Amino acid sequence: GAGVSQSPSNKVTEKGKDVELRCDPISGHTALYWYRQSLGQGLEFLIYFQGNSAPDKSGLPSDRFSAERTGGSVSTLTIQRTQQEDSAVYLCASSLGDSARSYEQYFGPGTRLTVT
Amino acid sequence: QQQVKQSPQSLIVQKGGISIINCAYENTAFDYFPWYQQFPGKGPALLIAIRPDVSEKKEGRFTISFNKSAKQFSLHIMDSQPGDSATYFCAANSGTYKYIFGTGTRLKVLA
Repeated sequence: GAGVSQSPSNKVTEKGKDVELRCDPISGHTALYWYRQSLGQGLEFLIYFQGNSAPDKSGLPSDRFSAERTGGSVSTLTIQRTQQEDSAVYLCASSLGDSARSYEQYFGPGTRLTVT
Repeated sequence: QQQVKQSPQSLIVQKGGISIINCAYENTAFDYFPWYQQFPGKGPALLIAIRPDVSEKKEGRFTISFNKSAKQFSLHIMDSQPGDSATYFCAANSGTYKYIFGTGTRLKVLA
């Protein structure tokens, strides 16, 4: 079946503009995660969704970052008033979700965001 | 206490050699330790994983060694190939949604 898909694959934007990044999880996966990966760095957790709710938003770096998930499926990560330090690869992952042994994560290919 | 420390940051190995990447953790509640492989332009993909009830797990050329008392685990890639050149991440999980990732090791295998 289809894996996690993300769009766009690359996004170049000017400083101060807003951007939206999209994630389509694997069908039937109730859990969805966003991570940020800066050049040469590890995976920085941003937010976790279980269904449409986000019980853990602790990784969002500022109030310019927000995310939503509708219909228990597609998620959008929005960055307002982008800054150069927002340049990174944004990864989405999904998992079956709601029991202790069903959290195996499957990652999408990522969106490479460049803020000029 | 929630960190997973990974080393080395980068590694160069000759074809046919053994690649070894190490990770250490503090939180004894962690009970699942996966390794992910990431090729350029792709997302991380699960490579192999271990639980602390065993000291070693082998899948093909990839082996995880686990030392519970030392709170360390390592990935060994035997007979390393140029196609193994990628970034490798260790991670730890305590049975919840949250994974703690290491900072990654960039492996290059020379032909």
